[in-house]
Amino acid sequence: AQSVTQLDSQVPVFEEAPVELRCNYSSSVSVYLFWYVQYPNQGLQLLLKYLSGSTLVKGINGFEAEFNKSQTSFHLRKPSVHISDTAEYFCAVAGYSSASKIIFGSGTRLSIRP
Amino acid sequence: NAGVTQTPKFQVLKTGQSMTLQCAQDMNHNSMYWYRQDPGMGLRLIYYSASEGTTDKGEVPNGYNVSRLNKREFSLRLESAAPSQTSVYFCASSDGSTVDYGYTFGSGTRLTVV
Repeated sequence: AQSVTQLDSQVPVFEEAPVELRCNYSSSVSVYLFWYVQYPNQGLQLLLKYLSGSTLVKGINGFEAEFNKSQTSFHLRKPSVHISDTAEYFCAVAGYSSASKIIFGSGTRLSIRP
Repeated sequence: NAGVTQTPKFQVLKTGQSMTLQCAQDMNHNSMYWYRQDPGMGLRLIYYSASEGTTDKGEVPNGYNVSRLNKREFSLRLESAAPSQTSVYFCASSDGSTVDYGYTFGSGTRLTVV
């Protein structure tokens, strides 16, 4: 079974500052990793995903994440945030089996201050 | 290009009332899912349907029933609503053959049970 821990429930950041949202996972098998974004009053959208290969994954809206197998982490980063990045961000994990389902973390609320 | 459509968007129920949340997808996906989202708890899987004609329990199935009406539609029923079922409900779908494409989410149903 897999599990995900998002270490920060809320992250306040000033506009144009860099941000890192932390995510750690647990699994006894190889995994796929995802970051989803949820804007206010909307559903979740896929931001980026790690399947295999390069450990640095680039997603939409200038976000990127780095897979670190030794530390079982998949932290999300952006070098300069904008007001429009205000949202809740979910880290998620799934095992390699075709029967696997995606397990979501508890979410990190990113608030951008002008 | 609707993706996943959920109805209704908002609903207020009295304790003990019943209702059905509707979900339809137009992407010819095999698998469909129902999640509930509560503050600080992320998304928890209620029920899922790996393919037309099959349904299975997720993490929190008590108090709910589901029907996979056809390949497009997957409904969630609350037979006797309780205040603990106050939540935001999301339907999602996926190709099903592999989890690496992630899920496509609807915009959610905000349910309040009083």
